[in-house]
Amino acid sequence: AQSVTQPDIHITVSEGASLELRCNYSYGATPYLFWYVQSPGQGLQLLLKYFSGDTLVQGIKGFEAEFKRSQSSFNLRKPSVHWSDAAEYFCAVVPWGLTGGGNKLTFGTGTQLKVEL
Amino acid sequence: DTAVSQTPKYLVTQMGNDKSIKCEQNLGHDTMYWYKQDSKKFLKIMFSYNNKELIINETVPNRFSPKSPDKAHLNLHINSLELGDSAVYFCASSPTSQETQYFGPGTRLLVL
Repeated sequence: AQSVTQPDIHITVSEGASLELRCNYSYGATPYLFWYVQSPGQGLQLLLKYFSGDTLVQGIKGFEAEFKRSQSSFNLRKPSVHWSDAAEYFCAVVPWGLTGGGNKLTFGTGTQLKVEL
Repeated sequence: DTAVSQTPKYLVTQMGNDKSIKCEQNLGHDTMYWYKQDSKKFLKIMFSYNNKELIINETVPNRFSPKSPDKAHLNLHINSLELGDSAVYFCASSPTSQETQYFGPGTRLLVL
């Protein structure tokens, strides 16, 4: 079955420290990949996306993500975390171009990021 | 210049009531969606409309009925509300059915 896994439910980092949030997917082929962020009480904001091409993609707010086909991973990174980055982060995939793909975004279970000052 | 908007933002109601949530997008997108986020923050698609036509209908109770009067609006009507319907409901839209989805702020529904 197709799935998205975010192994870390909670992560705590100090402000200024680097961050990596993990995401692994299980599909028959490479889907399209997204990271969304949900701040407390807010909606979902798109951070970045990967469709094809350069496997290192840049997003908003200083975030980047690297697609690794061999590991079926799409990990999100930020070199220096700010207190305002505290939020819930969701990895998501959509199987465009795959047989029976459609446009159903399948989300991971989310990683809650806490930033210590 | 709100892109995807939802009303109301909060909705508190009693079991058995019928309620509607409205969604509007001013992005000129063809496709709109409803997602449900449960108490554990898990997000799952419920419905999708493309140019007012239903294209995704997940396993959702018949008490939930989406309606798209035009391609800029997608409303969600819920009959006979149950405790388990308490959740955050997100509307989203995308330019076509094969492009990036943009989400609204969510409607927090609490059924008492």
